Amino acid sequence: DGGITQSPKYLFRKEGQNVTLSCEQNLNHDAMYWYRQDPGQGLRLIYYSQIVNDFQKGDIAEGYSVSREKKESFPLTVTSAQKNPTAFYLCASSMGSAYNSPLHFGNGTRLTVT
Amino acid sequence: QQQVKQSPQSLIVQKGGISIINCAYENTAFDYFPWYQQFPGKGPALLIAIRPDVSEKKEGRFTISFNKSAKQFSLHIMDSQPGDSATYFCAALDRGSTLGRLYFGRGTQLTVWP
Repeated sequence: DGGITQSPKYLFRKEGQNVTLSCEQNLNHDAMYWYRQDPGQGLRLIYYSQIVNDFQKGDIAEGYSVSREKKESFPLTVTSAQKNPTAFYLCASSMGSAYNSPLHFGNGTRLTVT
Repeated sequence: QQQVKQSPQSLIVQKGGISIINCAYENTAFDYFPWYQQFPGKGPALLIAIRPDVSEKKEGRFTISFNKSAKQFSLHIMDSQPGDSATYFCAALDRGSTLGRLYFGRGTQLTVWP
């Protein structure tokens, strides 16, 4: 089945540690996105990538980094500079513009930093 | 600032009733308005979408009503069922963005009592 795989589902880290969240898609989609979801805050865009080796900051990119070395993969690193990293992180992809292709979301990674 | 304002934050409806969720926007460049449905522990999935050239779109029990002059749109769920209990996000697409990025509302948590 085609889809987006996010791993792990739950992740626990100590404050001050960097952590990388995995996102893999086999939908052959060009565009990939990372969103952060907090209760009552909706979905806020962290980073997005239209093509391999290219990505842009979203609304809340501070304290995060990404890479896009392969079309299928778009890992997100939550660095120690992120002041409030505990959240539910969602990866998504689309064929191209969201105008013509709906976003397909993974099932998320819940990160807890203590 | 929130590009898309969604209300209410939570909604409780009896089985068989009508659920109504409202969204408003200011950016006249928005020209595509999808709704996403999210079940607990899952990623959101596209439910229904509308473009501003029509005032209403219906798919089964789900209807989007769109008022271009008021810059408002709403989701109506007829004959609401317990299985409809989920979080609903409205969104708007900025056609001026090269990626066609989506702006999401903060979400409405719908609970349908049996």
